[in-house]
Amino acid sequence: DTGVSQDPRHKITKRGQNVTFRCDPISEHNRLYWYRQTLGQGPEFLTYFQNEAQLEKSRLLSDRFSAERPKGSFSTLEIQRTEQGDSAMYLCASSSGDWNQPQHFGDGTRLSIL
Amino acid sequence: AQSVAQPEDQVNVAEGNPLTVKCTYSVSGNPYLFWYVQYPNRGLQFLLKYITGDNLVKGSYGFEAEFNKSQTSFHLKKPSALVSDSALYFCAVRDLADDYKLSFGAGTTVTVRA
Repeated sequence: DTGVSQDPRHKITKRGQNVTFRCDPISEHNRLYWYRQTLGQGPEFLTYFQNEAQLEKSRLLSDRFSAERPKGSFSTLEIQRTEQGDSAMYLCASSSGDWNQPQHFGDGTRLSIL
Repeated sequence: AQSVAQPEDQVNVAEGNPLTVKCTYSVSGNPYLFWYVQYPNRGLQFLLKYITGDNLVKGSYGFEAEFNKSQTSFHLKKPSALVSDSALYFCAVRDLADDYKLSFGAGTTVTVRA
């Protein structure tokens, strides 16, 4: 069990640029989640995949955000035309299909917008 | 909709003393409750869960939690705290109606002094 892997760990970019983050879940997990965590707050749900299908999206996920999981394995989260308010830690989690199993989190990608 | 409250931003205890971190929840159906711990610049690590059964749940690193349905609480406890337990703790709830996502509290910072 290698755990959930996220890349990069840190991203610094200028306002208006596009950024893309990658998440590799635990290999046998078919569910994958993205959360956003700002300073002093708990993680907030963004979106959820079961295999390659994106089943839920939070209203927090504006049209500048897009997530994919093309082969049901790794996932990418892209933010277009970044804004200051996008600065946060972006966390990926995965879980098995059993609803009573916990979600396992990666170490996150910290995004800083200059 | 589900929600979680962690009434204490900070908890300070001396090493060797009991540690309690409080959590109350609100869900429309049966609650599925989780505790996670976060160390600086890291993701969330799963500690324990309550799905059904015994109200006292035992988890990792000597932690346990007590589910109280009448008080809608799920407090995290450790009989004898260690300096290494100093971290940020999050309570989370999942409602089967929205079984794809966790709703987190704002977190409680625990400091254990030597």
